[in-house]
Formats: sequence, C-alpha cells, structure tokens
Amino acid sequence: ETGVTQTPRHLVMGMTNKKSLKCEQHLGHNAMYWYKQSAKKPLELMFVYSLEERVENNSVPSRFSPECPNSSHLFLHLHTLQPEDSALYLCASSQRLLSSYNEQFFGPGTRLTVL
Amino acid sequence: KNEVEQSPQNLTAQEGEFITINCSYSVGISALHWLQQHPGGGIVSLFMLSSGKKKHGRLIATINIQEKHSSLHITASHPRDSAVYICAVSGAGGGADGLTFGKGTHLIIQP
Repeated sequence: ETGVTQTPRHLVMGMTNKKSLKCEQHLGHNAMYWYKQSAKKPLELMFVYSLEERVENNSVPSRFSPECPNSSHLFLHLHTLQPEDSALYLCASSQRLLSSYNEQFFGPGTRLTVL
Repeated sequence: KNEVEQSPQNLTAQEGEFITINCSYSVGISALHWLQQHPGGGIVSLFMLSSGKKKHGRLIATINIQEKHSSLHITASHPRDSAVYICAVSGAGGGADGLTFGKGTHLIIQP
C-alpha cells in the first residue's frame, strides 16, 4: 500500500461518543499534519507533528486530542464533539519540516458528521 | 498570519479554453503550493514552487515573489479538469511548516 491512508472514510457520531481517526503514511516521511475543512471555509491547520513530537497546536479545542505513536501513524481522538465540528478531516505528511521543498501528500480524508 | 486570496471563486468555461486562476498572499513565504481537490475530498499536490515557472502536461504555474502573486494556467481545458483548485503557502521560516490555504477556485469545464 502506498501514499497516505485514512480510516474511517466516513464517521457519524453523537455528541457524547468517543471515536478516533487514523492516518498512516507509507512514504517514510518525518512530519505529519491534521487539517480541518468545513463547508464554505478554507482548509485550516490543526496540528503538526515532527518526529513524533507535536510542534504546533493551532488553537484547537481540547475535545480534539492528537497522538503520534511513531512517524508512520497519526491519530485524532474525538470526544464530546459539537455539531459545528462536522467537517472533512484531512491528514497529510511531508519529508520534513522547515524546508523550501516541503511538498505535502494528503490522505483521502474522513467525512465526520456530529449529530 | 499570511492572508491568501484566490480569484475567481467560481469559473465555468467551455472545453478547450485557456484557464487562469490567480493567487496573492500578504507575507513572504518559503514556497507556494497549488492543489487540486476532486468531489469526495481527496487532495492532490499539483505544484510546489518558490520562484519562476513550472510546467506539467497542460498545467503551468508561475510565481512572482516581489509581487507576492502566483497564477495557475490550464491549456486546452477538458471536463476532467473540473475540480476545486487551492492555493496554499508555507511560511518564510521559523515555526512549523503547516500550510495556509486560500478558499479555492471551483472550476467547471463544460463539454
């Protein structure tokens, strides 16, 4: 399997549920990202991990909790979400941070609906 | 924070037309990215450039660093080019290198 994969592709959850989104990259990259795409809004950066350490938390509410157990896997743990958190959540990876040649490779996204 | 503006927001054209999408940004950057997003959400990186011009098939991307402006051109457009085209920039240095995105240009190419 190649590239960046995300599971599940679609998720419907209630506000009291706890769920996790999973991202896996098979590119040997050292940096991974979570982005959020809401309807009618630009993509927004949520979290950045480099070599399994979080290097940026872009003012994201604590009901979103990222985890990066190794350089190939990234999780986004969700709990007590709100309906306005319904969006497409995209994972991306790049070879490393702080580079002029930092091309990012995106996963297919998880379409999340919070009821 | 960098402000990324794209124009037009929506564009409908006939097959074969030459297409131009523009992007401007407010603060110096290390690189500018052009991305393509198809219905269903998947995003593909088309170009990453920090100067000059790049060409891939029918797609051409240019950037003018002094004017903080980039253009994406599509020659001999085809219905399969219909998608949302997104301009994004990565920072000029320091801090994490996540992308800042424009709102996207929704392109429809009619047969």
